[in-house]
Amino acid sequence: DGGITQSPKYLFRKEGQNVTLSCEQNLNHDAMYWYRQDPGQGLRLIYYSQIVNDFQKGDIAEGYSVSREKKESFPLTVTSAQKNPTAFYLCASGLAGGLDEQFFGPGTRLTVL
Amino acid sequence: RKEVEQDPGPFNVPEGATVAFNCTYSNSASQSFFWYRQDCRKEPKLLMSVYSSGNEDGRFTAQLNRASQYISLLIRDSKLSDSATYLCVVTPPGNTPLVFGKGTRLSVIA
Repeated sequence: DGGITQSPKYLFRKEGQNVTLSCEQNLNHDAMYWYRQDPGQGLRLIYYSQIVNDFQKGDIAEGYSVSREKKESFPLTVTSAQKNPTAFYLCASGLAGGLDEQFFGPGTRLTVL
Repeated sequence: RKEVEQDPGPFNVPEGATVAFNCTYSNSASQSFFWYRQDCRKEPKLLMSVYSSGNEDGRFTAQLNRASQYISLLIRDSKLSDSATYLCVVTPPGNTPLVFGKGTRLSVIA
């Protein structure tokens, strides 16, 4: 089946630890995105990548890092520098150029204890 | 002014009712428009694209008004399963990511 997978679905970490969230897509999309959603809030863009080996900061990149070594994969690392990391993290992909719709993975719910 | 604005709701409507949401956008050069649906604790899913000529899919109709810079979503004969948050999405000019509104929450009541 074609689609976007994110793992794990739920993740618990201790404060001060870095954690990496996985995002894989087999839709042959060039562009991939990471969003954060807090309860009752809208989506906020963390990072995006429109081509392999290139990525740009979104609106709230501080405390996060990404890599794009393969077209299919766009992992997000939540570092200890992120002040309030507990949130719902959504990965999306789409065609390059930004004019077309994005498709989302099921999300990872991160809780930092 | 925010790039994409929506009334957060909630809109509480009885089954069978017709309900409409509007969404305004600030950049007149925006190029593509979409409505997404997000169920509680789930990912957003594309509901429909919004074309200049309008778009209808069953009970759902989307309209674009470029002169007034708003898009609308009309849901006829509401079902309980329509209860969700509806996100308005706009593509700004240039090669930049989609901009999502914060969503309008709809509750359809039996």
